[in-house]
Amino acid sequence: DGGITQSPKYLFRKEGQNVTLSCEQNLNHDAMYWYRQDPGQGLRLIYYSQIVNDFQKGDIAEGYSVSREKKESFPLTVTSAQKNPTAFYLCASSANSEAFFGQGTRLTVV
Amino acid sequence: AQTVTQSQPEMSVQEAETVTLSCTYDTSESDYYLFWYKQPPSRQMILVIRQEAYKQQNATENRFSVNFQKAAKSFSLKISDSQLGDAAMYFCAYRSGSGGSNYKLTFGKGTLLTVNP
Repeated sequence: DGGITQSPKYLFRKEGQNVTLSCEQNLNHDAMYWYRQDPGQGLRLIYYSQIVNDFQKGDIAEGYSVSREKKESFPLTVTSAQKNPTAFYLCASSANSEAFFGQGTRLTVV
Repeated sequence: AQTVTQSQPEMSVQEAETVTLSCTYDTSESDYYLFWYKQPPSRQMILVIRQEAYKQQNATENRFSVNFQKAAKSFSLKISDSQLGDAAMYFCAYRSGSGGSNYKLTFGKGTLLTVNP
């Protein structure tokens, strides 16, 4: 089935470590996005990419990095510079008129 | 920058009754899209309904309908004949009509809807 796959579903990280969240789509969409969700905050845009090898910062990019080497993949790295990384992370892709979301990754810093 | 405001952090409704969730937004653009997304406990984001700003007619999807007031920048969601499965977090979202394939969304903070049996 076509869709967006995020892995892992749950991720634990020690303070000071970088961690990479995976996002893969087989919808042939050009645009992909990463959102962060915190209680009471809604979804906030971290990074987005409109085409392979190109990406732009969103509203809360500090402490995060991304790459877009393939159309299907848009991994997000949470670096040690991110001061409060514990959150729920959602990946999305879009084409003409609708954004499709993955099932999310819950990241916890231990 | 565009902003989206949902003034009701929580709402509740009795099963089979009607509830309206509020959303206001701020933009200087004339071409844009508005959305309501549902996020059940599974946390999967599900598109409920979409409204194009250039359309005067309010969008409807089965039991879900919107009241789109462009001049007032208001976009409320009405759920009729509420069902237990409607219980979820509901997010209002805005997308610019310009920008080609860039469909980045700006979200409100959400309204948690409880449906009482």
